[in-house]
Amino acid sequence: AAGVIQSPRHLIKEKRETATLKCYPIPRHDTVYWYQQGPGQDPQFLISFYEKMQSDKGSIPDRFSAQQFSDYHSELNMSSLELGDSALYFCASTPGRESSEDTQYFGPGTRLTVL
Amino acid sequence: AQKVTQAQTEISVVEKEDVTLDCVYETRDTTYYLFWYKQPPSGELVFLIRRNSFDEQNEISGRYSWNFQKSTSSFNFTITASQVVDSAVYFCALSCGYGGSQGNLIFGKGTKLSVKP
Repeated sequence: AAGVIQSPRHLIKEKRETATLKCYPIPRHDTVYWYQQGPGQDPQFLISFYEKMQSDKGSIPDRFSAQQFSDYHSELNMSSLELGDSALYFCASTPGRESSEDTQYFGPGTRLTVL
Repeated sequence: AQKVTQAQTEISVVEKEDVTLDCVYETRDTTYYLFWYKQPPSGELVFLIRRNSFDEQNEISGRYSWNFQKSTSSFNFTITASQVVDSAVYFCALSCGYGGSQGNLIFGKGTKLSVKP
Protein backbone atom coordinates (compact mmCIF):
# COMPACT_ATOMS: atom_id res chain seq x y z
CA ALA A 1 0.00 0.00 0.00
CA ALA A 2 1.14 3.53 -0.74
CA GLY A 3 2.54 5.46 2.18
CA VAL A 4 3.29 9.08 2.98
CA ILE A 5 6.35 10.30 1.09
CA GLN A 6 8.66 12.95 2.43
CA SER A 7 11.58 14.58 0.70
CA PRO A 8 14.36 15.06 1.19
CA ARG A 9 15.10 12.39 3.79
CA HIS A 10 18.17 14.21 5.04
CA LEU A 11 19.07 17.88 4.81
CA ILE A 12 22.07 19.79 6.07
CA LYS A 13 21.93 23.58 6.22
CA GLU A 14 23.93 26.42 7.69
CA LYS A 15 22.55 28.88 10.23
CA ARG A 16 20.40 31.62 8.69
CA GLU A 17 19.76 29.60 5.54
CA THR A 18 16.33 28.49 4.34
CA ALA A 19 14.94 24.99 3.86
CA THR A 20 11.87 23.53 2.19
CA LEU A 21 10.49 20.16 3.20
CA LYS A 22 7.95 18.36 1.06
CA CYS A 23 5.22 15.91 1.95
CA TYR A 24 3.12 13.78 -0.40
CA PRO A 25 0.15 12.28 1.46
CA ILE A 26 -1.35 8.86 0.89
CA PRO A 27 -3.59 8.95 -2.23
CA ARG A 28 -7.11 10.24 -1.45
CA HIS A 29 -5.96 11.70 1.86
CA ASP A 30 -6.84 15.40 2.04
CA THR A 31 -5.57 16.26 5.51
CA VAL A 32 -1.91 16.80 6.32
CA TYR A 33 -0.16 17.38 9.64
CA TRP A 34 3.41 18.50 10.35
CA TYR A 35 5.30 17.54 13.51
CA GLN A 36 8.77 18.35 14.80
CA GLN A 37 10.72 15.87 16.94
CA GLY A 38 13.87 17.14 18.64
CA PRO A 39 16.57 14.68 19.78
CA GLY A 40 15.21 12.47 22.55
CA GLN A 41 11.89 14.30 22.50
CA ASP A 42 8.31 13.44 21.61
CA PRO A 43 6.85 14.80 18.36
CA GLN A 44 5.35 18.27 18.67
CA PHE A 45 2.52 19.43 16.43
CA LEU A 46 3.35 22.36 14.15
CA ILE A 47 0.48 22.90 11.72
CA SER A 48 -2.24 21.08 9.79
CA PHE A 49 -4.18 21.52 6.56
CA TYR A 50 -7.56 20.25 5.43
CA GLU A 51 -8.64 20.63 1.82
CA LYS A 52 -5.80 23.08 1.15
CA MET A 53 -6.75 25.38 4.02
CA GLN A 54 -4.88 25.71 7.30
CA SER A 55 -7.00 23.96 9.91
CA ASP A 56 -4.94 24.17 13.10
CA LYS A 57 -1.72 25.68 14.34
CA GLY A 58 0.57 24.48 17.09
CA SER A 59 3.98 25.59 18.24
CA ILE A 60 5.20 26.68 14.84
CA PRO A 61 7.76 29.51 14.86
CA ASP A 62 6.95 32.64 12.85
CA ARG A 63 10.03 31.86 10.74
CA PHE A 64 8.22 28.78 9.42
CA SER A 65 5.35 28.74 6.97
CA ALA A 66 3.51 25.97 5.21
CA GLN A 67 0.88 25.39 2.59
CA GLN A 68 -1.05 22.63 0.93
CA PHE A 69 -1.35 22.57 -2.84
CA SER A 70 -4.14 21.55 -5.22
CA ASP A 71 -2.72 18.02 -5.49
CA TYR A 72 -2.78 17.85 -1.65
CA HIS A 73 0.96 17.74 -1.24
CA SER A 74 2.31 20.10 1.39
CA GLU A 75 5.50 22.08 1.85
CA LEU A 76 7.05 23.39 5.05
CA ASN A 77 9.24 26.43 4.48
CA MET A 78 11.78 27.31 7.13
CA SER A 79 13.77 30.54 7.07
CA SER A 80 16.58 32.03 9.16
CA LEU A 81 17.45 28.56 10.39
CA GLU A 82 18.78 28.23 13.92
CA LEU A 83 20.76 25.44 15.55
CA GLY A 84 17.67 24.55 17.59
CA ASP A 85 15.75 23.75 14.40
CA SER A 86 17.81 20.58 14.02
CA ALA A 87 15.22 17.84 14.35
CA LEU A 88 13.26 15.12 12.64
CA TYR A 89 10.27 16.60 10.79
CA PHE A 90 7.33 14.30 10.22
CA CYS A 91 4.37 14.67 7.96
CA ALA A 92 1.21 12.62 8.56
CA SER A 93 -1.97 12.29 6.52
CA THR A 94 -5.55 11.17 7.07
CA PRO A 95 -8.45 10.63 4.66
CA GLY A 96 -10.34 13.64 5.99
CA ARG A 97 -13.42 14.32 8.06
CA GLU A 98 -15.84 12.40 5.90
CA SER A 99 -14.07 9.15 6.54
CA SER A 100 -14.37 6.88 9.54
CA GLU A 101 -10.75 5.83 9.02
CA ASP A 102 -8.93 8.87 10.30
CA THR A 103 -5.78 7.51 11.84
CA GLN A 104 -2.74 9.66 11.19
CA TYR A 105 -0.19 7.72 9.17
CA PHE A 106 3.30 9.12 9.29
CA GLY A 107 5.94 9.51 6.62
CA PRO A 108 9.53 8.43 7.23
CA GLY A 109 10.54 11.93 8.29
CA THR A 110 13.10 14.46 7.12
CA ARG A 111 16.17 14.78 9.32
CA LEU A 112 17.28 18.41 9.28
CA THR A 113 20.71 19.31 10.63
CA VAL A 114 21.60 22.97 11.04
CA LEU A 115 25.32 23.69 11.37
CA ALA B 1 -5.88 20.90 28.88
CA GLN B 2 -4.95 17.64 27.27
CA LYS B 3 -1.97 15.68 28.47
CA VAL B 4 -0.44 12.23 28.09
CA THR B 5 1.87 10.79 30.73
CA GLN B 6 4.16 7.84 30.18
CA ALA B 7 5.84 7.49 33.54
CA GLN B 8 8.29 4.80 32.43
CA THR B 9 11.18 6.46 30.65
CA GLU B 10 13.12 3.26 29.96
CA ILE B 11 12.40 -0.42 30.42
CA SER B 12 14.84 -3.26 29.91
CA VAL B 13 13.71 -6.87 29.69
CA VAL B 14 15.13 -10.18 28.58
CA GLU B 15 13.68 -11.85 25.53
CA LYS B 16 10.47 -13.84 26.13
CA GLU B 17 9.51 -11.75 29.15
CA ASP B 18 6.15 -9.99 29.16
CA VAL B 19 6.24 -6.21 29.51
CA THR B 20 3.55 -3.58 30.07
CA LEU B 21 3.93 0.04 29.02
CA ASP B 22 1.79 2.47 30.97
CA CYS B 23 -0.12 5.44 29.58
CA VAL B 24 -2.30 7.87 31.53
CA TYR B 25 -4.17 10.65 29.76
CA GLU B 26 -6.02 13.83 30.74
CA THR B 27 -8.81 15.49 28.81
CA ARG B 28 -12.13 17.18 29.50
CA ASP B 29 -13.54 16.16 26.13
CA THR B 30 -16.07 13.34 26.13
CA THR B 31 -15.03 12.28 22.63
CA TYR B 32 -11.38 11.52 22.17
CA TYR B 33 -9.05 9.03 20.55
CA LEU B 34 -6.05 7.20 21.90
CA PHE B 35 -3.17 5.80 19.89
CA TRP B 36 0.04 3.86 20.28
CA TYR B 37 2.94 4.36 17.89
CA LYS B 38 6.26 2.54 17.73
CA GLN B 39 9.48 4.31 16.78
CA PRO B 40 12.30 1.84 16.06
CA PRO B 41 15.93 3.00 15.91
CA SER B 42 15.48 3.73 12.19
CA GLY B 43 13.25 6.65 13.21
CA GLU B 44 9.90 6.15 11.49
CA LEU B 45 6.65 6.29 13.45
CA VAL B 46 4.64 3.11 13.04
CA PHE B 47 0.95 3.09 13.90
CA LEU B 48 -0.07 0.25 16.23
CA ILE B 49 -3.61 0.90 17.46
CA ARG B 50 -6.41 3.50 17.67
CA ARG B 51 -9.19 3.50 20.26
CA ASN B 52 -12.09 5.91 20.64
CA SER B 53 -13.48 7.00 23.99
CA PHE B 54 -16.70 5.02 23.54
CA ASP B 55 -15.01 1.70 22.99
CA GLU B 56 -13.50 0.25 26.14
CA GLN B 57 -13.07 -3.21 24.70
CA ASN B 58 -9.62 -4.55 25.18
CA GLU B 59 -7.83 -5.63 22.05
CA ILE B 60 -5.34 -8.34 21.25
CA SER B 61 -3.26 -8.51 18.10
CA GLY B 62 -0.78 -11.33 18.13
CA ARG B 63 1.67 -10.70 20.96
CA TYR B 64 0.28 -7.19 21.54
CA SER B 65 -2.66 -6.35 23.77
CA TRP B 66 -4.16 -3.10 24.97
CA ASN B 67 -6.15 -2.36 28.12
CA PHE B 68 -8.31 0.78 28.01
CA GLN B 69 -9.87 1.87 31.30
CA LYS B 70 -11.78 5.16 31.36
CA SER B 71 -12.23 4.94 35.13
CA THR B 72 -8.48 5.37 35.61
CA SER B 73 -7.83 7.29 32.35
CA SER B 74 -5.34 4.67 31.30
CA PHE B 75 -4.50 2.95 28.03
CA ASN B 76 -1.80 0.40 28.77
CA PHE B 77 0.05 -1.70 26.23
CA THR B 78 1.36 -5.21 26.91
CA ILE B 79 3.83 -7.16 24.81
CA THR B 80 3.78 -10.89 25.52
CA ALA B 81 6.91 -12.97 25.00
CA SER B 82 8.98 -9.97 23.97
CA GLN B 83 11.50 -10.23 21.13
CA VAL B 84 14.63 -8.27 20.30
CA VAL B 85 12.76 -6.69 17.35
CA ASP B 86 10.37 -5.09 19.83
CA SER B 87 13.19 -2.80 20.97
CA ALA B 88 11.99 0.72 20.20
CA VAL B 89 10.52 3.85 21.70
CA TYR B 90 6.78 3.54 22.16
CA PHE B 91 4.57 6.62 22.19
CA CYS B 92 1.05 6.91 23.52
CA ALA B 93 -0.93 9.77 21.95
CA LEU B 94 -4.26 11.54 22.39
CA SER B 95 -6.45 13.38 19.89
CA CYS B 96 -9.49 15.45 20.82
CA GLY B 97 -10.32 17.65 17.87
CA TYR B 98 -13.42 18.64 16.01
CA GLY B 99 -15.80 16.07 17.46
CA GLY B 100 -13.88 13.38 15.66
CA SER B 101 -10.29 12.38 15.57
CA GLN B 102 -9.11 15.09 13.20
CA GLY B 103 -7.28 17.00 15.86
CA ASN B 104 -3.54 17.02 16.19
CA LEU B 105 -1.89 14.31 18.24
CA ILE B 106 -0.61 15.04 21.74
CA PHE B 107 2.18 12.62 22.52
CA GLY B 108 3.55 11.32 25.77
CA LYS B 109 7.30 11.50 26.32
CA GLY B 110 7.69 7.91 25.16
CA THR B 111 8.99 4.74 26.78
CA LYS B 112 12.22 3.27 25.47
CA LEU B 113 12.00 -0.51 25.52
CA SER B 114 15.17 -2.56 25.25
CA VAL B 115 14.78 -6.29 24.80
CA LYS B 116 18.01 -8.20 25.37
CA PRO B 117 18.63 -11.67 23.93
